[in-house]
Amino acid sequence: QKEVEQNSGPLSVPEGAIASLNCTYSDRGSQSFFWYRQYSGKSPELIMFIYSNGDKEDGRFTAQLNKASQYVSLLIRDSQPSDSATYLCAVKGSWGKLQFGAGTQVVVTP
Amino acid sequence: GAVVSQHPSRVICKSGTSVKIECRSLDFQATTMFWYRQFPKKSLMLMATSNEGSKATYEQGVEKDKFLINHASLTLSTLTVTSAHPEDSSFYICSARVEGGVEQYFGPGTRLTVT
Repeated sequence: QKEVEQNSGPLSVPEGAIASLNCTYSDRGSQSFFWYRQYSGKSPELIMFIYSNGDKEDGRFTAQLNKASQYVSLLIRDSQPSDSATYLCAVKGSWGKLQFGAGTQVVVTP
Repeated sequence: GAVVSQHPSRVICKSGTSVKIECRSLDFQATTMFWYRQFPKKSLMLMATSNEGSKATYEQGVEKDKFLINHASLTLSTLTVTSAHPEDSSFYICSARVEGGVEQYFGPGTRLTVT
């Protein structure tokens, strides 16, 4: 079992719609959860992070965390073509290391 | 803030030579830096954790004698790929953790091609 799992996609989203990305993790001791965006050929850039159960909003992005279900998600509202990228879920496990999922490719269609 | 640079951004070298990649935190001090490699359409694989003033901690399966890491100051870590082979061709990315923080910021990456 992979430590951090994401659907690889591609997730096709019409422009203006909401993109919903999911991530599950196996380490129950994980405390910090991160979402990164990676454009093709570029390095990841941090979108946001979350520690506590519930929702955290930052602009068009909302991260949702449910530790009991070991589940973290990212919502992108009013999706734009510039949001087309691969989104990486990262979890800081109980050993302190950041574990990355394989990423979900999002394609926003005009 | 939290800007990380890498140099070079792209390098082509011949098999058997060594290549040094620099990672700098530009506007903050980073006691801990991380080195990753990424193959096409794959996720990031942590190679090692670099701590200022001490030896790097390598992940299982990563040859420490092949991938030399030096973290000589709070703003600079270097990765040297020694005796490079074509299978070492990859995208190498460093990241730095803000002191006292948990988030990691990534450098722009170095694309290494070994011919």
